[in-house]
Amino acid sequence: GAGVSQSPSNKVTEKGKDVELRCDPISGHTALYWYRQSLGQGLEFLIYFQGNSAPDKSGLPSDRFSAERTGGSVSTLTIQRTQQEDSAVYLCASKTSLSSYEQYFGPGTRLTVT
Amino acid sequence: QKEVEQDPGPLSVPEGAIVSLNCTYSNSAFQYFMWYRQYSRKGPELLMYTYSSGNKEDGRFTAQVDKSSKYISLFIRDSQPSDSATYLCATDYFNKFYFGSGTKLNVKP
Repeated sequence: GAGVSQSPSNKVTEKGKDVELRCDPISGHTALYWYRQSLGQGLEFLIYFQGNSAPDKSGLPSDRFSAERTGGSVSTLTIQRTQQEDSAVYLCASKTSLSSYEQYFGPGTRLTVT
Repeated sequence: QKEVEQDPGPLSVPEGAIVSLNCTYSNSAFQYFMWYRQYSRKGPELLMYTYSSGNKEDGRFTAQVDKSSKYISLFIRDSQPSDSATYLCATDYFNKFYFGSGTKLNVKP
């Protein structure tokens, strides 16, 4: 079946502009995670959603970052007033439930802020 | 201190070598440990999963957890050029995943 998809695959934006990154999880997966991967760094947890519960936003680095998940499926990560330090690969992952350990990752969105 | 620390490498070995990849972690309460493999410009994929201490073997791969020293290892036997990738260790704690920075492995033919 279809895996996790993310769009766009690449995004170049000017400093100060807002960007939206999209994640389509695997159908039926109730848990969805967003991560950021900077050059030479591991994956940095940003936020996760589980079903209809309130998301865990504890990893969002600043109030410029926000995310939503509509209808328990598609998720959008929004970065407002982008800064050069926001340049990274943003990865989305989904899993069947919170009790499952196996995350399935999308290919990521490579964000470059000029 | 980061929850999971990993030597970034890079590590370069000849084909057929035994590879040892290692991580340390900070919290003795961590019990679930994973190894992910990430090819260039791809998302990570789960390779191995272990719970608590001990060894787990899957083909050419062995994952090992030593809780007394807070040390996790991944061994790759008979390494192949197709194993060239970045390997990330991770732990799952109350539904949040903490990842090491990844070790880049290059297996030379």
